[in-house]
Amino acid sequence: GQNIDQPTEMTATEGAIVQINCTYQTSGFNGLFWYQQHAGEAPTFLSYNVLDGLEEKGRFSSFLSRSKGYSYLLLKELQMKDSASYLCAVSQSKTGRRALTFGSGTRLQVQP
Amino acid sequence: EAGVVQSPRYKIIEKKQPVAFWCNPISGHNTLYWYRQNLGQGPELLIRYENEEAVDDSQLPKDRFSAERLKGVDSTLKIQPAELGDSAVYLCASRDSSTDTQYFGPGTRLTVL
Repeated sequence: GQNIDQPTEMTATEGAIVQINCTYQTSGFNGLFWYQQHAGEAPTFLSYNVLDGLEEKGRFSSFLSRSKGYSYLLLKELQMKDSASYLCAVSQSKTGRRALTFGSGTRLQVQP
Repeated sequence: EAGVVQSPRYKIIEKKQPVAFWCNPISGHNTLYWYRQNLGQGPELLIRYENEEAVDDSQLPKDRFSAERLKGVDSTLKIQPAELGDSAVYLCASRDSSTDTQYFGPGTRLTVL
């Protein structure tokens, strides 16, 4: 089976930087995804890591360490619209990245 | 390009009644997923289709849930009879095989009274 852990809630200030951590235990790891989900809306894709290291995409960056079973999502220059849930999801090689297992999500609240 | 389309967006039914959800994936996406998402939780996979074949339905409660994707495009998820614990958001997603990225529809919020 798979086990994915991420903090339930986080609070940060507009303009600041926040790091959302995700740890996972899985057999046959084959990639890690981050999704953003605003309340009442569908999850939207943010990033994908399959190799160790940092992937940067504008204000958002995602890091992966496969040996540690650890990833983080880094959000810079926070804006009020970044208030949302952030979902960490892992794929396994047996499904060839066709299936994802999601964590419970981290609800981020950005304050003025 | 149109995204994943789902209907209805909201559904309220009484327990023991049947209900059906419809999904139209992004054109060209062969893999289609149905997820259930409870409040404060991440999506949980119910079933995955590769074209018209259900290749992973291990999490689908088969005594009351059924799904079909007859022509490998649109899909329908049915619950009969519904129970109180089925209240959740039912999400459909399809996968871009060139990037391995799943794209989600807006979901159907089901309330069972």
